[in-house]
Amino acid sequence: DAKTTQPPSMDCAEGRAANLPCNHSTISGNEYVYWYRQIHSQGPQYIIHGLKNNETNEMASLIITEDRKSSTLILPHATLRDTAVYYCIVRVVGAENYGGATNKLIFGTGTLLAVQP
Amino acid sequence: KAGVTQTPRYLIKTRGQQVTLSCSPISGHRSVSWYQQTPGQGLQFLFEYFSETQRNKGNFPGRFSGRQFSNSRSEMNVSTLELGDSALYLCASSRQNWGAGELFFGEGSRLTVL
Repeated sequence: DAKTTQPPSMDCAEGRAANLPCNHSTISGNEYVYWYRQIHSQGPQYIIHGLKNNETNEMASLIITEDRKSSTLILPHATLRDTAVYYCIVRVVGAENYGGATNKLIFGTGTLLAVQP
Repeated sequence: KAGVTQTPRYLIKTRGQQVTLSCSPISGHRSVSWYQQTPGQGLQFLFEYFSETQRNKGNFPGRFSGRQFSNSRSEMNVSTLELGDSALYLCASSRQNWGAGELFFGEGSRLTVL
């Protein structure tokens, strides 16, 4: 019951920007968009998250469309170490007294990003 | 600061046995979640604990169980192991189960059932 759709694989040249798309057309108002990546046989690594505004941190930028139905993760200067499976996840976020508050993440199949030398 | 620690990292069991996996969250984190990752099913949510209470449970049989201790450390147990239980079991921790916080994952425990 993943709520996101991602391309199964993408290639990117080393040093170029990698733009990973994600469709989440059924996203609701209290759901954030999260991005994680998983390098082979390691635990998933948090990258970035956002609600409706664009976000940037030291790893990446997250661009969310105005209708919030899709987003793009941007790795500005991809390196070989960025080769990984990238997961786009929507997660319900609630207040402390919100009975449905949960850290449950529903992973889809993700996008395998292969950075080429 | 130390990350999420999972033990053991690798283990081999035979069908019918049981296994207990341990997860020590990041200091100060009170929420612990467990996931199973297999090549066929991908990453699937098992259960989530917060303040020693199970808050959410995935669609797994009753052979899969867990608990959380007062120091936030968590264990999961799988009884009567089947070949299909071979997987990477991942633990994630977070400060709380509300708000838009990050979840930090451990490196996982890789279980092989023969």
